[in-house]
Amino acid sequence: AQTVTQSQPEMSVQEAETVTLSCTYDTSESDYYLFWYKQPPSRQMILVIRQEAYKQQNATENRFSVNFQKAAKSFSLKISDSQLGDAAMYFCAFRGRQGGSEKLVFGKGTKLTVNP
Amino acid sequence: NAGVTQTPKFQVLKTGQSMTLQCAQDMNHEYMSWYRQDPGMGLRLIHYSVGAGITDQGEVPNGYNVSRSTTEDFPLRLLSAAPSQTSVYFCASSYGGPHSEAFFGQGTRLTVV
Repeated sequence: AQTVTQSQPEMSVQEAETVTLSCTYDTSESDYYLFWYKQPPSRQMILVIRQEAYKQQNATENRFSVNFQKAAKSFSLKISDSQLGDAAMYFCAFRGRQGGSEKLVFGKGTKLTVNP
Repeated sequence: NAGVTQTPKFQVLKTGQSMTLQCAQDMNHEYMSWYRQDPGMGLRLIHYSVGAGITDQGEVPNGYNVSRSTTEDFPLRLLSAAPSQTSVYFCASSYGGPHSEAFFGQGTRLTVV
């Protein structure tokens, strides 16, 4: 079974600085996708970024980028120029093909605080 | 655009009561799922469906039932509420395939006293 581990329950960053959230996962599959979701205090789950395992190039979305290390099974999220609105819970998630691609497996989350 | 609509947003139940959490999506997604979110536990899959008439159990299915009679709706039934079911519940939907973005409802905060 796939597992996703986020080892940082809480992180903090100064406004305008850069922060990296860690995620590791375990799978025997070679074809899968990884996601970062943001959950602000409103509770709404928002997709931040996704990465296909077969793509070597790291995904980027504006100030958000990932460092995907397939061999190490690591998928970290870098937030540049942090803004107050980035304060939220961040969840790393895995979605594969074996056993059904309908299942998203989530990590336990990292709470990010942005200090003004 | 409605997306995924969950009702109610908040609910308080007494132990032993039953209730149904409603979930509807208007994006014609094949996949629908229910998750529960507990502090320090992330989101855990309760039940899921890959199409009308097809459902299966996730990681934490005990105490919950689902059915999927239409593509749009995927209700979650609590048969006899217990305090351990106090949680925030999310419904999600997506197209098939691991690349697909899952769209989430606003969540239901359920308290069982």
